[in-house]
Amino acid sequence: GAVVSQHPSWVICKSGTSVKIECRSLDFQATTMFWYRQFPKQSLMLMATSNEGSKATYEQGVEKDKFLINHASLTLSTLTVTSAHPEDSSFYICSALRTNGELFFGEGSRLTVL
Amino acid sequence: GENVEQHPSTLSVQEGDSAVIKCTYSDSASNYFPWYKQELGKRPQLIIDIRSNVGEKKDQRIAVTLNKTAKHFSLHITETQPEDSAVYFCAEATGGGADGLTFGKGTHLIIQP
Repeated sequence: GAVVSQHPSWVICKSGTSVKIECRSLDFQATTMFWYRQFPKQSLMLMATSNEGSKATYEQGVEKDKFLINHASLTLSTLTVTSAHPEDSSFYICSALRTNGELFFGEGSRLTVL
Repeated sequence: GENVEQHPSTLSVQEGDSAVIKCTYSDSASNYFPWYKQELGKRPQLIIDIRSNVGEKKDQRIAVTLNKTAKHFSLHITETQPEDSAVYFCAEATGGGADGLTFGKGTHLIIQP
């Protein structure tokens, strides 16, 4: 299957700092990538849809100024959690959409905000 | 897609028996129904999917059935093995998935040796 790489896999930061998470599709071009958030023992919640070359579309209740998404190329989307607080601690997972409709997930990034 | 209800939340079966997980959806425009397996701390892995133009799809021990009239779809795992233990998520989407997936809450499948 296709490969989607996410980095970093885990990060610990201080409250008030910003953290950037990268999502790369390694062997296919993805015009659309998605960012999900997953709390322990819960399902994946779609945060936003990232489209290459245009602004991201955010789901209701997700603050676009807090979760900055940039999809500058067909293989890279980034999520920046700005001014992180402990409640932002979570497992963030990206996924990339291949042209045949299949969706591939990154490994996930576990964010812990102290 | 809109809401997706998934049942049961936990399922324990004896090794070798079959496991069935069911999901219902509400959006009649939904046309793509994938199933994902997620092991603890790892990424979700697509295990099987079905589109709205077919009623059943099978891949070795795994099968998915879709009833568009009743708006429900099910995952069937036969001859379960210990490595099948994981959390399984159903999902649905309109537009073939291009607008993102709506996930069910997940089913924790436990295979008893």
